Amino acid sequence: GESVGLHLPTLSVQEGDNSIINCAYSNSASDYFIWYKQESGKGPQFIIDIRSNMDKRQGQRVTVLLNKTVKHLSLQIAATQPGDSAVYFCAEKAGGSYIPTFGRGTSLIVHP
Amino acid sequence: EAGVAQSPRYKIIEKRQSVAFWCNPISGHATLYWYQQILGQGPKLLIQFQNNGVVDDSQLPKDRFSAERLKGVDSTLKIQPAKLEDSAVYLCASSLIPTAQETQYFGPGTRLLVL
Repeated sequence: GESVGLHLPTLSVQEGDNSIINCAYSNSASDYFIWYKQESGKGPQFIIDIRSNMDKRQGQRVTVLLNKTVKHLSLQIAATQPGDSAVYFCAEKAGGSYIPTFGRGTSLIVHP
Repeated sequence: EAGVAQSPRYKIIEKRQSVAFWCNPISGHATLYWYQQILGQGPKLLIQFQNNGVVDDSQLPKDRFSAERLKGVDSTLKIQPAKLEDSAVYLCASSLIPTAQETQYFGPGTRLLVL
C-alpha cells in the first residue's frame, strides 16, 4: 500500500518477472499521459506516452494501459532487469497544456 | 547529441544565503523549464521560458526566486535568501517546441541542501 511522508510506494520484483506499476490520475480533463523513469542522481527520462483516445500502447518491453473510466494508468515492464530499478512517475497533461503534472512516483527494486 | 547540462551538481548553504544554478539546454531547443523536486515527490514546475521570454512563472515564489534566460540559450535560477524548505533537487529541462506532445529532456539536477 501507499506510505506517507518521504516513503515512496515500493514494488520489489525478481529479475525476469513482469512488473506492473499503477497510477491514479486526478484530472478528468487530462488527455495526454507520460511515464518517466528516474534513476538515482539523474533527471526523469521519458519512457512512453499515450493519448486519451487510446487505451493501450506498446513500446520495447513496456506497455501502458489507460482506463479513463476509473482514471487509472499502468506501466507494464516485461522481463524486468536490474537496470530497470528506478523511481517511475506518471504525468498528465490537460487541454493542450505544455506542462506535465507529475504523480507521486513508485520505486521499483529488481533483485538479481 | 549532448544532453541538458546543469551545474553545480550539489550545493550546501545556510539559510538566508544566496545560491544560483546554471542550465545549458540541448542545442536548438527553444523551450526551457525549471522544476523543483522535493524528496519523495514528483517535479513541480517553477518557470517556463520560450527563447528569452517567460511563458509561465505562476508557481515561482517571486519574493525569493528569480530566473533569467537573457540570450535565449543558457539560464540561471537564483534563490535569495534561501529557506530550509528550499532543500530540493532543481531540475532543468528543455524541449524543441512547446507543444503538448513534445518530449521534455531533463538534466541531472542540482541538489540543494539548506542548513
